[in-house]
Amino acid sequence: DVKVTQSSRYLVKRTGEKVFLECVQDMDHENMFWYRQDPGLGLRLIYFSYDVKMKEKGDIPEGYSVSREKKERFSLILESASTNQTSMYLCASTPAWGRAPSSTDTQYFGPGTRLTVL
Amino acid sequence: AQKITQTQPGMFVQEKEAVTLDCTYDTSDQSYGLFWYKQPSSGEMIFLIYQGSYDEQNATEGRYSLNFQKARKSANLVISASQLGDSAMYFCAMREGGRDDKIIFGKGTRLHILP
Repeated sequence: DVKVTQSSRYLVKRTGEKVFLECVQDMDHENMFWYRQDPGLGLRLIYFSYDVKMKEKGDIPEGYSVSREKKERFSLILESASTNQTSMYLCASTPAWGRAPSSTDTQYFGPGTRLTVL
Repeated sequence: AQKITQTQPGMFVQEKEAVTLDCTYDTSDQSYGLFWYKQPSSGEMIFLIYQGSYDEQNATEGRYSLNFQKARKSANLVISASQLGDSAMYFCAMREGGRDDKIIFGKGTRLHILP
């Protein structure tokens, strides 16, 4: 069974703090993703990575950065947390994608981290 | 413009009835893949079903089936014989076959199954 774990289920931080969200997968997947989920907005992609040390901006990268030093670990960093970053953060992974979409593109998600910034 | 549209923010359905959750998509690619995920109140996203744009038959997985109408660009999820445990948020998602390597999600539909 693919397992994606996230470092915390719930996190409370103060405005201006640096926040690290960690995600680890154990299936040797090449691709990893960070989303935030807000009511009425669905899932929005923040960043993704298709290989170690590689990263690509998603739809809402502002205020975030990422790090992927090892294949199994993808970290999301909030350099200076703000109240509008209060959200649910979801990490996902998949094997490397081929040119054409296929069922193996299915994303495996972690349990999520509910972050509150006060 | 939204690429994935789920027009039903919320739905209430009696237990044991069939449910159809709507999803329409927008793409100019000929090759694309469509996914449905379920998110219970626990928060974890669970993959339900996949449909490829070139698949000739509608996908089925147990009680889940996908009503895929390519010309109308719709990929509705059908849940047969609904159960209380089906109460959850449901998301439709798409990966296009172009260079843009990401999956786009709709805003979701919250399904409530009534006893």
